[in-house]
Amino acid sequence: EAGVAQSPRYKIIEKRQSVAFWCNPISGHATLYWYQQILGQGPKLLIQFQNNGVVDDSQLPKDRFSAERLKGVDSTLKIQPAKLEDSAVYLCASSLEGRKNNFGSGTRLTVV
Amino acid sequence: KQEVTQIPAALSVPEGENLVLNCSFTDSAIYNLQWFRQDPGKGLTSLLLIQSSQREQTSGRLNASLDKSSGRSTLYIAASQPGDSATYLCAAGFQKLVFGTGTRLLVSP
Repeated sequence: EAGVAQSPRYKIIEKRQSVAFWCNPISGHATLYWYQQILGQGPKLLIQFQNNGVVDDSQLPKDRFSAERLKGVDSTLKIQPAKLEDSAVYLCASSLEGRKNNFGSGTRLTVV
Repeated sequence: KQEVTQIPAALSVPEGENLVLNCSFTDSAIYNLQWFRQDPGKGLTSLLLIQSSQREQTSGRLNASLDKSSGRSTLYIAASQPGDSATYLCAAGFQKLVFGTGTRLLVSP
């Protein structure tokens, strides 16, 4: 089966600009996650979707980050405006109910 | 709130050595403990998943153990190879994971 697809692979933007990342989960996976991994740290959960509804966004900086999952399939994560400390790898993962996560290759964001 | 830590942060060994990576967690009421491998610029590859009712899991040269009472898990790698060089992450939880900071492993030929 095809894995979790993410794009773009790399993105460089200036601070205060906006950026969007896209994730296409494995077909049929109802649960989708976005994680942020800052260099030298483990991934941190930003938001969890169940179909097109948000289950947990307690660690999402809502003043600048937003995410949506229209139609319960693809998802986009947006940052506006970006700050230097947002430089990180953004990982998307999906899973079936009761099964372990499958991770995409991530999008590496550099804010300069 | 679950917190996960990993020791050591980095490890360098010659090829052929057996090694142990450590992971500790603060909340023993975990559902699962999972070990991942991360290669530079790549996503996460799941290596082993230990369910809360289990004590260990094995896959090839890898063996992971779980001791909920002490809040610890170890990943044992037998006969290490240069291809094992990567960052190893442990994560506690069911599907919503809390990750440690990882151990960077370098195996030299």
